[in-house]
Amino acid sequence: EDKVVQSPLSLVVHEGDTVTLNCSYEVTNFRSLLWYKQEKKAPTFLFMLTSSGIEKKSGRLSSILDKKELFSILNITATQTGDSAIYLCAVTILYGGATNKLIFGTGTLLAVQP
Amino acid sequence: GAVVSQHPSWVICKSGTSVKIECRSLDFQATTMFWYRQFPKQSLMLMATSNEGSKATYEQGVEKDKFLINHASLTLSTLTVTSAHPEDSSFYICSARDLGTGGPNSPLHFGNGTRLTVT
Repeated sequence: EDKVVQSPLSLVVHEGDTVTLNCSYEVTNFRSLLWYKQEKKAPTFLFMLTSSGIEKKSGRLSSILDKKELFSILNITATQTGDSAIYLCAVTILYGGATNKLIFGTGTLLAVQP
Repeated sequence: GAVVSQHPSWVICKSGTSVKIECRSLDFQATTMFWYRQFPKQSLMLMATSNEGSKATYEQGVEKDKFLINHASLTLSTLTVTSAHPEDSSFYICSARDLGTGGPNSPLHFGNGTRLTVT
């Protein structure tokens, strides 16, 4: 069974801290790994990773994928209260021969306190 | 960028009634759309894959007769929760991929979701 597991499930930090969110997966027909941020409504896209060892960076956020060990991390440096959200990791797999399907992890609830 | 519009954003209905949720791709065509369900503080669970012009593909454990999906055009998919009950109360989100710009591996774009409350 395809699965995506995130850890920790929840995390409380203070502004300025650095956090690392983990995502491991066991799937067949891996295509890519994506990170999303979800606040009140729909998830917003952060990163898509397809190759091992290449860091993707956007401001204070960065992410990297290890396809050998089947995991990814999302780093947030100098956290701010606006970073408080659920961070979702999702893996795209190919199924049915032609369709890509996204399997979400359990999510990590991050709370950044002032 | 690609935009997915979902309507309504919230709905309250009585037990036993049916509710229709619409998902539209506003500036791109989507042969495939995905419907997710999310319970409070939990992750998104894929319910079904909506295919334009053909039957939807449902995930294991999702009742196809209860969650009717219609994908009649390249920009519109609908999810109808039939004979809704309180346990159907949840957050339903649709998504689609703009194959024209990013191909089959491009990120999903999500609608803003529909909060369904069944009383």
